[in-house]
Amino acid sequence: GESVGLHLPTLSVQEGDNSIINCAYSNSASDYFIWYKQESGKGPQFIIDIRSNMDKRQGQRVTVLLNKTVKHLSLQIAATQPGDSAVYFCAENSARMDSSYKLIFGSGTRLLVRP
Amino acid sequence: DTGVSQDPRHKITKRGQNVTFRCDPISEHNRLYWYRQTLGQGPEFLTYFQNEAQLEKSRLLSDRFSAERPKGSFSTLEIQRTEQGDSAMYLCASSLGRGGDGHDTFGSGTRLTVV
Repeated sequence: GESVGLHLPTLSVQEGDNSIINCAYSNSASDYFIWYKQESGKGPQFIIDIRSNMDKRQGQRVTVLLNKTVKHLSLQIAATQPGDSAVYFCAENSARMDSSYKLIFGSGTRLLVRP
Repeated sequence: DTGVSQDPRHKITKRGQNVTFRCDPISEHNRLYWYRQTLGQGPEFLTYFQNEAQLEKSRLLSDRFSAERPKGSFSTLEIQRTEQGDSAMYLCASSLGRGGDGHDTFGSGTRLTVV
């Protein structure tokens, strides 16, 4: 079936460096994408979202890039900090295909920030 | 606190017992979702409410599972005759759906351990 997946299960970066977390999606009908951060013992926390009519969106220290041609999504974190250590999930849904707008999640990438 | 609240945070139960979890969404949110998350995986959709109406249920939601949202505010998820395979984090999320706009806000989850 359709799914959202991630290329790298674990990413280790030096504090202060930039991080890039990648995600591939397979449902070409998906038109809304979200990145969530999940710390141990907590629920997913919204980071940033993007609609399919955009290819880039910036937040505070984070940027999401969407390449619909190859169905690829990435999250860039600038000047990575120890507090960024967590598991990051991308999620998708399709307003056109699914009236519930439920999210389909990938399996996550663990980001480890080395001091 | 205006976030999504879940109770209890942790539940340990013996196999065969019934358990009930509660979710209090953000007050103005009309959409409410239950997800289940196992270790190392992304959340998986269980069921969706719009106001008090349960509009979609996943095939993951066996007949031992039942969810309600009687007044369109808080929701409960009950698992009858629990099995060890039910051990997971149960997450509740809510959103103010306007044609798919608006991201889901998650609670901290209820971690269920069936022994």
